[in-house]
Amino acid sequence: EVQLVESGGGLVQPGGSLRLSCAASGFTFSTYSMNWVRQAPGKGLDWVSYINSGSTAIYYADSVKGRFTISRDNAKNSLYLQMNSLRDEDTAVYFCARIQYNYYNMDVWGQGTTVTVSS
Amino acid sequence: EIVMTQSPATLSVSPGERATLSCRVSQSVSINLAWYQQKPGQAPRLLFYGASTRATGIPARFSGSGSGTEFTLTISSLQSEDFAVYYCQQYNRWPFTFGGGTKVEIK
Repeated sequence: EVQLVESGGGLVQPGGSLRLSCAASGFTFSTYSMNWVRQAPGKGLDWVSYINSGSTAIYYADSVKGRFTISRDNAKNSLYLQMNSLRDEDTAVYFCARIQYNYYNMDVWGQGTTVTVSS
Repeated sequence: EIVMTQSPATLSVSPGERATLSCRVSQSVSINLAWYQQKPGQAPRLLFYGASTRATGIPARFSGSGSGTEFTLTISSLQSEDFAVYYCQQYNRWPFTFGGGTKVEIK
């Protein structure tokens, strides 16, 4: 079964850091590009960051550029999001999602992990 | 940044009726558009990519159409499991952007 499982969310104070992980299984992780997408409480979907299969192409939303770092370890079938200098507005459910071959839409999503930034 | 505008924000429909959702884009994205369905507490689920190509397992009562700046998602006969929020997303140009969503609720 193709599966993505996020972890690492939690409560953190403004200015703090968190590292999210996404464990992939059921497919050849090393051949797929990946995204992080977030959803603030009661709001819509918001793309956060992209990384290609070989980590040679990385993009960020302007709202997180310079604070978040996406990375992957293909040997461990894992995707990461290092989040620094967290702000209240980063509070959201964070989803990792697989990017479909030959397209850039997302065909497999994890269940999400919740990040709450609050003092 | 490409702006995606979905309408209506909320659509009240009776089971068995037809639902038509609109997604307008601020500049042409060709057919590089996807539709997702999201139910409360769940992750989004891919419905369409390439504007009109149905994803695996999506029932035939769902159809997608459009190109350029105007796109439509149609549900021909709403079933109880179709009441959800629907998002469009363009992947023609970075940053990839989503519409604000259309909530399809029971009338």
